[in-house]
Amino acid sequence: DADVTQTPRNRITKTGKRIMLECSQTKGHDRMYWYRQDPGLGLRLIYYSFDVKDINKGEISDGYSVSRQAQAKFSLSLESAIPNQTALYFCATSDPAGTEDQPQHFGDGTRLSIL
Amino acid sequence: DQQVKQNSPSLSVQEGRISILNCDYTNSMFDYFLWYKKYPAEGPTFLISISSIKDKNEDGRFTVFLNKSAKHLSLHIVPSQPGDSAVYFCAASVLGAGSYQLTFGKGTKLSVIP
Repeated sequence: DADVTQTPRNRITKTGKRIMLECSQTKGHDRMYWYRQDPGLGLRLIYYSFDVKDINKGEISDGYSVSRQAQAKFSLSLESAIPNQTALYFCATSDPAGTEDQPQHFGDGTRLSIL
Repeated sequence: DQQVKQNSPSLSVQEGRISILNCDYTNSMFDYFLWYKKYPAEGPTFLISISSIKDKNEDGRFTVFLNKSAKHLSLHIVPSQPGDSAVYFCAASVLGAGSYQLTFGKGTKLSVIP
């Protein structure tokens, strides 16, 4: 079983719809992250969370919200989806120590298309 | 403004030869650098990292070199194998900031030709 699981893997929806992407992990890590990747671009950070009570905005948080329901679960919501939010979304986790030996571990991504 | 740059979108190398992937950065606060490998339909997988106190780190066929004065790092893969064909992302962070946020380059697609 994957350590970082994202659901759904693919989603097609319409402009204006509310979308929730879910991430769960079995690694026991405190830190969780949401990134998006656009074609030909690197990953950009949307939100990150150090623990259940700590949520922080990343580089591109506008139009998104998150919820950390438990240590193992971190959800990303698009309240009113728009076409330029079409992208590949990745969830990641890391150990709180943040040492050289504890890099971020990624899920396999959710491909989201907004028509 | 891109803080981490991978100026080569693609690279082709013969099997058995050396692959060299390059990465430049502009933010002098970056003190920790990582390389990730990504296959299609999968998430990025951590490959190797280096902190700014070192100039070289090796792990099997993979070696990362860091030149702080030039704000440049490179990943060497020797010998290259067909299974190494993937997109490679360079990433950087400021460990001292405590957030462990990663800034990624756009990636280089490596093709290893049998």
